[in-house]
Amino acid sequence: GENVEQHPSTLSVQEGDSAVIKCTYSDSASNYFPWYKQELGKRPQLIIDIRSNVGEKKDQRIAVTLNKTAKHFSLHITETQPEDSAVYFCAASIGGAGTSYGKLTFGQGTILTVHP
Amino acid sequence: EPEVTQTPSHQVTQMGQEVILRCVPISNHLYFYWYRQILGQKVEFLVSFYNNEISEKSEIFDDQFSVERPDGSNFTLKIRSTKLEDSAMYFCASRLAGGLDEQFFGPGTRLTVL
Repeated sequence: GENVEQHPSTLSVQEGDSAVIKCTYSDSASNYFPWYKQELGKRPQLIIDIRSNVGEKKDQRIAVTLNKTAKHFSLHITETQPEDSAVYFCAASIGGAGTSYGKLTFGQGTILTVHP
Repeated sequence: EPEVTQTPSHQVTQMGQEVILRCVPISNHLYFYWYRQILGQKVEFLVSFYNNEISEKSEIFDDQFSVERPDGSNFTLKIRSTKLEDSAMYFCASRLAGGLDEQFFGPGTRLTVL
């Protein structure tokens, strides 16, 4: 089955710096890659996602890149703010209609701390 | 904005007891999921449910687990005889159909088995 590896496990940055979190996946059939932000004791919240037909997607300070050949994807957060501090999870699934039921396989998570 | 809801927020039970965790998915969604997260670890897939039947389950989802959609709105996870290692946060998620992939997560139920 799918295996998703995520690193680093912890990341500490100064406010205003950029943060990059990287994930690799094993199943070449995976075609949907969401990123979730989870604050302490809260539900995972989708912050950005990418499908395998595109290589990059950006939403304000957040961007995700995908390299299908190498089977890795990355989250980039620019101009970090203290409220970006949380645990970030990458995930992979075989998305879309038909026989795919879309289960998410998550990475281990990255604890991001943004120091004011 | 519609949200997935879950009850209770926290459940404490004795080892060997049965528990039922409840979820109300977003009303027009057709795919339903349960995940669990042991404290400090990653979120793990348990089971997916579509068209009133289990569509996929993980190796964690053994005979002690069952799911049901009893009334068209609730989606439940039952653990028949809880073990200490079942202590975790359990998240329900739902997804629209038609190739739209985003899964919406509920707030979770923290299950503590003593």
